[in-house]
Amino acid sequence: NAGVMQNPRHLVRRRGQEARLRCSPMKGHSHVYWYRQLPEEGLKFMVYLQKENIIDESGMPKERFSAEFPKEGPSILRIQQVVRGDSAAYFCASSPGGAGNSPLHFGNGTRLTVT
Amino acid sequence: EDQVTQSPEALRLQEGESSSLNCSYTVSGLRGLFWYRQDPGKGPEFLFTLYSAGEEKEKERLKATLTKKESFLHITAPKPEDSATYLCAVQPSNQFYFGTGTSLTVIP
Repeated sequence: NAGVMQNPRHLVRRRGQEARLRCSPMKGHSHVYWYRQLPEEGLKFMVYLQKENIIDESGMPKERFSAEFPKEGPSILRIQQVVRGDSAAYFCASSPGGAGNSPLHFGNGTRLTVT
Repeated sequence: EDQVTQSPEALRLQEGESSSLNCSYTVSGLRGLFWYRQDPGKGPEFLFTLYSAGEEKEKERLKATLTKKESFLHITAPKPEDSATYLCAVQPSNQFYFGTGTSLTVIP
Protein backbone atom coordinates (compact mmCIF):
# COMPACT_ATOMS: atom_id res chain seq x y z
CA ASN A 1 0.00 0.00 0.00
CA ALA A 2 2.24 2.74 -1.31
CA GLY A 3 2.10 6.11 0.36
CA VAL A 4 2.65 9.49 -1.23
CA MET A 5 5.71 9.32 -3.47
CA GLN A 6 7.83 12.37 -4.19
CA ASN A 7 10.83 12.61 -6.43
CA PRO A 8 13.52 13.53 -6.56
CA ARG A 9 14.37 13.48 -2.83
CA HIS A 10 17.15 16.00 -3.37
CA LEU A 11 17.50 18.49 -6.20
CA VAL A 12 20.32 20.94 -6.79
CA ARG A 13 19.84 23.75 -9.27
CA ARG A 14 21.88 26.79 -10.20
CA ARG A 15 20.28 30.20 -10.11
CA GLY A 16 18.18 30.75 -13.21
CA GLN A 17 17.49 27.07 -13.90
CA GLU A 18 14.14 25.34 -13.66
CA ALA A 19 13.10 22.91 -10.93
CA ARG A 20 10.41 20.28 -11.47
CA LEU A 21 9.12 18.43 -8.43
CA ARG A 22 6.88 15.39 -8.81
CA CYS A 23 4.27 13.89 -6.54
CA SER A 24 2.23 10.72 -6.91
CA PRO A 25 -0.65 10.67 -4.40
CA MET A 26 -1.76 7.65 -2.41
CA LYS A 27 -3.88 5.16 -4.30
CA GLY A 28 -7.47 6.34 -4.33
CA HIS A 29 -6.60 9.95 -3.47
CA SER A 30 -7.57 12.60 -5.99
CA HIS A 31 -6.67 15.72 -4.01
CA VAL A 32 -3.13 17.04 -3.78
CA TYR A 33 -1.63 19.81 -1.68
CA TRP A 34 1.83 21.33 -1.93
CA TYR A 35 3.59 22.84 1.09
CA ARG A 36 6.95 24.50 1.59
CA GLN A 37 8.99 24.19 4.78
CA LEU A 38 11.96 26.26 5.84
CA PRO A 39 14.12 25.50 8.91
CA GLU A 40 12.53 26.90 12.08
CA GLU A 41 9.34 27.69 10.17
CA GLY A 42 6.11 25.81 9.83
CA LEU A 43 4.64 24.23 6.76
CA LYS A 44 3.36 26.97 4.46
CA PHE A 45 0.47 26.18 2.13
CA MET A 46 1.16 26.76 -1.54
CA VAL A 47 -1.52 25.18 -3.70
CA TYR A 48 -4.41 22.70 -3.63
CA LEU A 49 -5.32 20.73 -6.74
CA GLN A 50 -7.74 18.12 -7.88
CA LYS A 51 -7.33 16.19 -11.11
CA GLU A 52 -7.02 18.76 -13.93
CA ASN A 53 -8.11 21.63 -11.66
CA ILE A 54 -6.40 24.16 -9.43
CA ILE A 55 -8.75 24.70 -6.50
CA ASP A 56 -6.74 27.15 -4.39
CA GLU A 57 -3.40 28.68 -5.32
CA SER A 58 -3.49 31.55 -2.86
CA GLY A 59 -0.23 30.47 -1.18
CA MET A 60 1.81 30.25 -4.34
CA PRO A 61 3.88 33.19 -5.66
CA LYS A 62 2.32 34.60 -8.82
CA GLU A 63 5.60 34.63 -10.71
CA ARG A 64 7.89 31.70 -11.54
CA PHE A 65 5.76 29.09 -9.70
CA SER A 66 3.15 26.84 -11.29
CA ALA A 67 1.48 23.56 -10.44
CA GLU A 68 -0.55 20.98 -12.29
CA PHE A 69 -2.24 17.67 -11.62
CA PRO A 70 -3.07 16.11 -15.00
CA LYS A 71 -5.65 13.41 -15.62
CA GLU A 72 -2.83 10.90 -16.00
CA GLY A 73 0.46 11.02 -14.15
CA PRO A 74 1.85 12.77 -11.10
CA SER A 75 1.28 16.28 -9.85
CA ILE A 76 4.10 18.65 -10.83
CA LEU A 77 5.32 21.75 -9.00
CA ARG A 78 7.41 23.82 -11.34
CA ILE A 79 9.71 26.64 -10.34
CA GLN A 80 11.20 28.66 -13.17
CA GLN A 81 14.38 30.77 -12.93
CA VAL A 82 15.13 29.61 -9.41
CA VAL A 83 16.73 31.96 -6.89
CA ARG A 84 18.57 31.18 -3.65
CA GLY A 85 15.47 32.04 -1.64
CA ASP A 86 13.66 29.09 -3.25
CA SER A 87 15.91 26.67 -1.33
CA ALA A 88 13.60 24.74 0.98
CA ALA A 89 11.89 21.41 1.52
CA TYR A 90 8.77 21.01 -0.60
CA PHE A 91 6.18 18.54 0.64
CA CYS A 92 3.28 17.06 -1.20
CA ALA A 93 0.24 15.66 0.61
CA SER A 94 -2.85 13.89 -0.61
CA SER A 95 -6.32 13.14 0.67
CA PRO A 96 -9.27 11.18 -0.67
CA GLY A 97 -11.69 14.09 -0.53
CA GLY A 98 -10.87 17.78 -0.47
CA ALA A 99 -12.26 19.93 2.31
CA GLY A 100 -14.23 17.21 4.02
CA ASN A 101 -12.26 16.61 7.21
CA SER A 102 -9.96 13.90 5.85
CA PRO A 103 -6.39 14.19 7.13
CA LEU A 104 -3.54 14.87 4.76
CA HIS A 105 -0.98 12.15 4.11
CA PHE A 106 2.48 13.45 3.29
CA GLY A 107 5.37 12.31 1.19
CA ASN A 108 8.96 12.61 2.40
CA GLY A 109 9.57 15.79 0.46
CA THR A 110 11.96 17.16 -2.12
CA ARG A 111 14.84 19.20 -0.75
CA LEU A 112 15.71 21.89 -3.24
CA THR A 113 19.08 23.59 -3.01
CA VAL A 114 19.80 26.56 -5.26
CA THR A 115 23.48 27.38 -5.69
CA GLU B 1 -6.88 35.85 10.57
CA ASP B 2 -6.64 32.10 11.08
CA GLN B 3 -3.69 31.21 13.31
CA VAL B 4 -2.13 28.21 15.01
CA THR B 5 0.36 28.60 17.87
CA GLN B 6 2.24 25.73 19.46
CA SER B 7 4.09 25.74 22.76
CA PRO B 8 6.65 25.12 23.96
CA GLU B 9 8.95 25.39 20.94
CA ALA B 10 11.23 22.76 22.42
CA LEU B 11 10.88 20.28 25.27
CA ARG B 12 13.43 17.97 26.85
CA LEU B 13 12.14 15.16 29.02
CA GLN B 14 13.73 12.34 30.90
CA GLU B 15 12.51 8.92 29.85
CA GLY B 16 9.32 8.24 31.78
CA GLU B 17 8.64 11.91 32.56
CA SER B 18 5.12 12.71 31.36
CA SER B 19 4.22 16.11 29.90
CA SER B 20 1.85 17.95 27.54
CA LEU B 21 2.23 19.93 24.33
CA ASN B 22 -0.15 22.78 23.58
CA CYS B 23 -1.76 23.91 20.33
CA SER B 24 -3.93 27.03 20.48
CA TYR B 25 -5.87 28.23 17.47
CA THR B 26 -8.06 31.01 16.20
CA VAL B 27 -10.06 30.04 13.14
CA SER B 28 -13.41 31.01 11.74
CA GLY B 29 -15.07 27.63 11.82
CA LEU B 30 -13.12 24.48 12.62
CA ARG B 31 -13.63 21.40 10.43
CA GLY B 32 -10.90 19.43 12.13
CA LEU B 33 -7.74 19.62 14.22
CA PHE B 34 -4.91 17.30 13.29
CA TRP B 35 -1.75 16.15 15.08
CA TYR B 36 1.30 14.97 13.17
CA ARG B 37 4.74 13.68 14.07
CA GLN B 38 7.73 14.66 11.94
CA ASP B 39 11.14 13.00 12.11
CA PRO B 40 14.23 14.72 10.66
CA GLY B 41 14.42 14.42 6.88
CA LYS B 42 10.92 12.97 6.60
CA GLY B 43 7.41 14.15 5.92
CA PRO B 44 4.83 14.61 8.67
CA GLU B 45 3.16 11.39 9.80
CA PHE B 46 -0.52 11.58 10.69
CA LEU B 47 -1.42 10.80 14.32
CA PHE B 48 -4.92 12.04 15.23
CA THR B 49 -7.95 13.96 14.04
CA LEU B 50 -10.21 15.75 16.52
CA TYR B 51 -13.49 17.29 15.36
CA SER B 52 -15.31 18.74 18.36
CA ALA B 53 -14.66 20.12 21.83
CA GLY B 54 -14.45 17.41 24.46
CA GLU B 55 -13.21 14.78 22.03
CA GLU B 56 -10.19 12.64 22.98
CA LYS B 57 -8.09 10.19 20.98
CA GLU B 58 -5.37 7.82 22.22
CA LYS B 59 -2.57 5.87 20.63
CA GLU B 60 0.05 4.08 22.72
CA ARG B 61 1.67 6.74 24.95
CA LEU B 62 -0.07 9.66 23.22
CA LYS B 63 -3.44 11.20 24.02
CA ALA B 64 -4.91 14.18 22.22
CA THR B 65 -7.68 16.36 23.62
CA LEU B 66 -9.63 19.31 22.19
CA THR B 67 -11.37 22.35 23.66
CA LYS B 68 -12.94 25.27 21.81
CA LYS B 69 -9.67 27.17 21.67
CA GLU B 70 -6.85 24.69 22.11
CA SER B 71 -5.68 21.12 21.91
CA PHE B 72 -3.24 19.21 24.07
CA LEU B 73 -1.05 16.28 23.18
CA HIS B 74 -0.31 14.41 26.38
CA ILE B 75 2.70 12.11 26.41
CA THR B 76 2.71 9.52 29.17
CA ALA B 77 5.98 7.86 30.23
CA PRO B 78 7.78 8.83 27.02
CA LYS B 79 10.57 6.76 25.50
CA PRO B 80 13.56 7.98 23.44
CA GLU B 81 11.82 6.82 20.27
CA ASP B 82 9.11 9.43 20.92
CA SER B 83 11.70 12.12 20.14
CA ALA B 84 10.43 14.08 17.11
CA THR B 85 8.75 17.34 16.16
CA TYR B 86 5.02 17.31 16.81
CA LEU B 87 2.90 19.46 14.53
CA CYS B 88 -0.65 20.66 14.96
CA ALA B 89 -2.86 21.72 12.04
CA VAL B 90 -6.36 23.13 11.72
CA GLN B 91 -8.66 23.02 8.74
CA PRO B 92 -11.18 25.85 8.50
CA SER B 93 -11.59 25.63 4.72
CA ASN B 94 -9.67 24.21 1.75
CA GLN B 95 -6.39 24.98 3.47
CA PHE B 96 -4.74 23.29 6.42
CA TYR B 97 -2.88 25.74 8.67
CA PHE B 98 0.12 24.32 10.51
CA GLY B 99 1.84 25.49 13.66
CA THR B 100 5.63 25.65 13.83
CA GLY B 101 5.76 22.56 16.02
CA THR B 102 7.20 21.41 19.32
CA SER B 103 10.57 19.68 19.13
CA LEU B 104 10.53 16.90 21.74
CA THR B 105 13.69 15.22 22.96
CA VAL B 106 13.41 12.29 25.34
CA ILE B 107 16.65 11.51 27.16
CA PRO B 108 17.34 7.90 28.19
